[in-house]
Amino acid sequence: DVKVTQSSRYLVKRTGEKVFLECVQDMDHENMFWYRQDPGLGLRLIYFSYDVKMKEKGDIPEGYSVSREKKERFSLILESASTNQTSMYLCASSFGLAGVSFFGPGTRLTVL
Amino acid sequence: KQEVTQIPAALSVPEGENLVLNCSFTDSAIYNLQWFRQDPGKGLTSLLLIQSSQREQTSGRLNASLDKSSGRSTLYIAASQPGDSATYLCAVSFTGANSKLTFGKGITLSVRP
Repeated sequence: DVKVTQSSRYLVKRTGEKVFLECVQDMDHENMFWYRQDPGLGLRLIYFSYDVKMKEKGDIPEGYSVSREKKERFSLILESASTNQTSMYLCASSFGLAGVSFFGPGTRLTVL
Repeated sequence: KQEVTQIPAALSVPEGENLVLNCSFTDSAIYNLQWFRQDPGKGLTSLLLIQSSQREQTSGRLNASLDKSSGRSTLYIAASQPGDSATYLCAVSFTGANSKLTFGKGITLSVRP
């Protein structure tokens, strides 16, 4: 059974902390994505990667960075967490230009 | 700007009803369109993917159609059940977007027993 896993389901952090969200997929997919989902705003793309060590900005990259050192792992980093980064974070992976996207279970991040 | 729209935002139907969820998109140059289901507080589960060359896809009680020329897709759910209650999202992979998906905001479906 194919799988995308995320390191935490729930996370509570303080303003100014550095936060790491990890995503791992076991399907040998080239593409990996980080989204955030907020009520009324839907899913918004933060960053994506189509190969190891490659990354591209999505629609809302400000305040975030990413790392992809291995094909199966894509990390989202909040350098200095702020309260407006409280959100549901979703990781996804896909194969090629037209493959099905598989999503992880999500991480509910609260920044106090 | 490439956009995906889903209207209405919410729908409530009695159990057993056949229903249609609509999705519209602004650009006919697409690779594919996917329909996802999301339960509260959970991730997204892919239901159906239609490639740009296809007209429809079926899985069990679900049937998705695609009309690129009019920029529309529909998800048909036959004989709805309370377990179908969830948010349904439509996502389009536009040509030239390098495998990125553009999502609609979803339709929250409630099936009443």
